Amino acid sequence: NAGVTQTPKFQVLKTGQSMTLQCAQDMNHNSMYWYRQDPGMGLRLIYYSASEGTTDKGEVPNGYNVSRLNKREFSLRLESAAPSQTSVYFCASSEYLALNTEAFFGQGTRLTVV
Amino acid sequence: DQQVKQNSPSLSVQEGRISILNCDYTNSMFDYFLWYKKYPAEGPTFLISISSIKDKNEDGRFTVFLNKSAKHLSLHIVPSQPGDSAVYFCAASAITGNQFYFGTGTSLTVIP
Repeated sequence: NAGVTQTPKFQVLKTGQSMTLQCAQDMNHNSMYWYRQDPGMGLRLIYYSASEGTTDKGEVPNGYNVSRLNKREFSLRLESAAPSQTSVYFCASSEYLALNTEAFFGQGTRLTVV
Repeated sequence: DQQVKQNSPSLSVQEGRISILNCDYTNSMFDYFLWYKKYPAEGPTFLISISSIKDKNEDGRFTVFLNKSAKHLSLHIVPSQPGDSAVYFCAASAITGNQFYFGTGTSLTVIP
């Protein structure tokens, strides 16, 4: 049972480059999330998708775009990477949108922008 | 502004003793609270939760206590084991909301 799978696990980008972080879940969950974790900041929500076909901004959406490709997949795109986007990115899913339910997380993507 | 706060970045406890991890929140609309455990190079994993209609929830060695008037929750681990060494995040959500809000985490070290 894979749960939530993120690719890649590690990535180094140069400033201005673009990339897409992939996320897929096999639990038939409706809602999916992208978080970033920075030292001393906890996990902060970038974007979320309440259900297939919908996406909304979280706390820190600037510099990112997302696509809910289907019920299983939710990708995060950095169009022009900046050093401030150096972080660990986590994808998560839950049965419903943060409603008396827990989220399941992927293993994370460690991104460095130089 | 941090709506969920964990003021202790780290905690060390002897094996077999009790570990108490604390969490405070500011938003009175929060009605569901969770604790996650995170090992290095892994994603957070769900540990235990509590609804605002309760003041205590227990699951084996783990107990979460909620004090709504103080906007405070705590996680008790008894007895602590070396395998419990990890970073613990508390999180909160509101029935009217759209996301989980996470604290900054507390790194627990259980000394054998």
